[in-house]
Amino acid sequence: DTGVSQDPRHKITKRGQNVTFRCDPISEHNRLYWYRQTLGQGPEFLTYFQNEAQLEKSRLLSDRFSAERPKGSFSTLEIQRTEQGDSAMYLCASSDRASNQPQHFGDGTRLSIL
Amino acid sequence: KQEVTQIPAALSVPEGENLVLNCSFTDSAIYNLQWFRQDPGKGLTSLLLIQSSQREQTSGRLNASLDKSSGRSTLYIAASQPGDSATYLCAVKEQTGANNLFFGTGTRLTVIP
Repeated sequence: DTGVSQDPRHKITKRGQNVTFRCDPISEHNRLYWYRQTLGQGPEFLTYFQNEAQLEKSRLLSDRFSAERPKGSFSTLEIQRTEQGDSAMYLCASSDRASNQPQHFGDGTRLSIL
Repeated sequence: KQEVTQIPAALSVPEGENLVLNCSFTDSAIYNLQWFRQDPGKGLTSLLLIQSSQREQTSGRLNASLDKSSGRSTLYIAASQPGDSATYLCAVKEQTGANNLFFGTGTRLTVIP
């Protein structure tokens, strides 16, 4: 069990550029979540996958955001035309099949928009 | 909408003290509640998960209690150590069937050697 892995750990980019983050969940976990955390706040939910199906999306997930989990394993989160307000820590979590299991988080990708 | 509040926002204690962190939530129709620890610049480490039917969970020096009807949970840390210094977050999963967690803003704990 290597835990949830996220790449890159840090991303600095200019406003207007596109960025993509990757998440590798714990291998036997079929549920995957994306959250966003700004300084001094708790994480806020963005989207949820069960296997390859994206089943839930938050209103925070604007048209510029897209998430995929093509084979039900790793997931990517893309932000197009980045804005200053996108600066945050993007956290990925995974959990086992049963809905009463805990969510396990990765170390996140910190995005800074110049 | 579910709102989760954590009090105090920050806490400093001398090493060896026992302490209690508080978490309250507005909608008592929860499925479970999870306590996390977050070190600066890092992700979240799951500490304890309490199902809605449970009253408490224990792991080592940590004990979490849940009073669902009053919308409260506490995290008790016994014999605090400097290594316990971190931000502690609680999060609830609702009974609605949605799978996301609602988080509080955390309590930043400093244990002074």
